[in-house]
Amino acid sequence: QSVLTQPPSASATPGQRVTISCSGGSSNIGSNYVHWYQQFPGTAPKLLIHSNNQRPSGVPDRFSGSKSGTSVSLAISGLRSDDEADYYCAVWDDSLSGPVFGGGTKLTVL
Amino acid sequence: EVQVVESGGGLVQPGGSLRLSCVSSRLTLNNYYVNWVRQAPGKGLEWVGRTKNKEVGYTTENAASVKGRFAVSRDESKNSVFLQMNSLKTEDTAVYYCAIEGSSSGPDFIYWGQGSLVTVSS
Repeated sequence: QSVLTQPPSASATPGQRVTISCSGGSSNIGSNYVHWYQQFPGTAPKLLIHSNNQRPSGVPDRFSGSKSGTSVSLAISGLRSDDEADYYCAVWDDSLSGPVFGGGTKLTVL
Repeated sequence: EVQVVESGGGLVQPGGSLRLSCVSSRLTLNNYYVNWVRQAPGKGLEWVGRTKNKEVGYTTENAASVKGRFAVSRDESKNSVFLQMNSLKTEDTAVYYCAIEGSSSGPDFIYWGQGSLVTVSS
């Protein structure tokens, strides 16, 4: 059972916009920066969004992050077939004194 | 291009030990917080532990699930970070990633290795 709650799956058609949520509590999302990762099967995760809403160099602006209270969302607009992957949120947890990950959301592009 | 490479994985019996290594050809690991993150087959990501950078004395921290069994260490001269795993259990079976923090203010892992598979089985 993850400290952070993500929907196990999400789906949309090419060109659409999809959002993936991640909810936590006051000791993690409520008080620290949240980061998002994209992972394709058999490969290492890749940092997609850092510090709630910042894109690392090379990440398209189709990807965006937002935060409200103890929840965050990852939005992907202009969905493409190669966006099909697993997405994870991650944040430091003050109570656990370590980082925690969401359970992951498998995005399917229909 | 920055490369991070793990090694040392393999098959080990329950109760056994294994040591993973993490090196980088272009990054001076001493300047970074270096983490270990694992992923059991078909499961999500789990933080295992980390060593902070030289500036704060290479302090180490571990997840509660591995405390007392796993230890993170460094060899400054070899630009290497290690994960010593003892008293291994079948539930430790996973791909272990070495992940480098970007800002030292949270799990913003900007560089990852390719992963090293550890299988604990009799």
